[in-house]
Amino acid sequence: NAGVTQTPKFRILKIGQSMTLQCTQDMNHNYMYWYRQDPGMGLKLIYYSVGAGITDKGEVPNGYNVSRSTTEDFPLRLELAAPSQTSVYFCASSYPEGGSEYFGPGTRLTVT
Amino acid sequence: DQQVKQNSPSLSVQEGRISILNCDYTNSMFDYFLWYKKYPAEGPTFLISISSIKDKNEDGRFTVFLNKSAKHLSLHIVPSQPGDSAVYFCAARSIQGAQKLVFGQGTRLTINP
Repeated sequence: NAGVTQTPKFRILKIGQSMTLQCTQDMNHNYMYWYRQDPGMGLKLIYYSVGAGITDKGEVPNGYNVSRSTTEDFPLRLELAAPSQTSVYFCASSYPEGGSEYFGPGTRLTVT
Repeated sequence: DQQVKQNSPSLSVQEGRISILNCDYTNSMFDYFLWYKKYPAEGPTFLISISSIKDKNEDGRFTVFLNKSAKHLSLHIVPSQPGDSAVYFCAARSIQGAQKLVFGQGTRLTINP
């Protein structure tokens, strides 16, 4: 049981480039989330999904897109990367009945 | 608008003593509160939680207290151990919010031998 896995661990992008951050969970969780953490700040919700085919915006969705075609996968797409998107990105999942969220190890992204 | 606030960016405690981490919130619709622990280069891991119908929850060395009238919660760690050195995040969610968590800024706890 690997839990929540994220790839890549690190990435450097040039301004204007695009990329997809991958997230997979093997716990059969319905709910999945993407957060970003900036230095000295808490985690801010980018997008979330309550099940396959259903996604919704969080607090800071601008510049990102998501899709949820399967229960296991929840990729985050960055189009036209900007320096303001330099951050650490965490994917998480949970059961809908409550309890805690399980987090992946994070992807550290730098946009220069 | 910071709905969940951790006003102490850092805290230093002697090994064996009690560590008290504090968290304040503004949204009265929050009904479930969680504490997460985060080591460098890792994702946050769940530590302990409390429902708004309770005022205290214990799990081994960790106790969370909730004061709804003051919109304040605290995490007590006793006795503190070197392995407790990490960043601690307070988080809250509303039953109306599809379980979306709102996080505080975090408190870096350092346990000194």
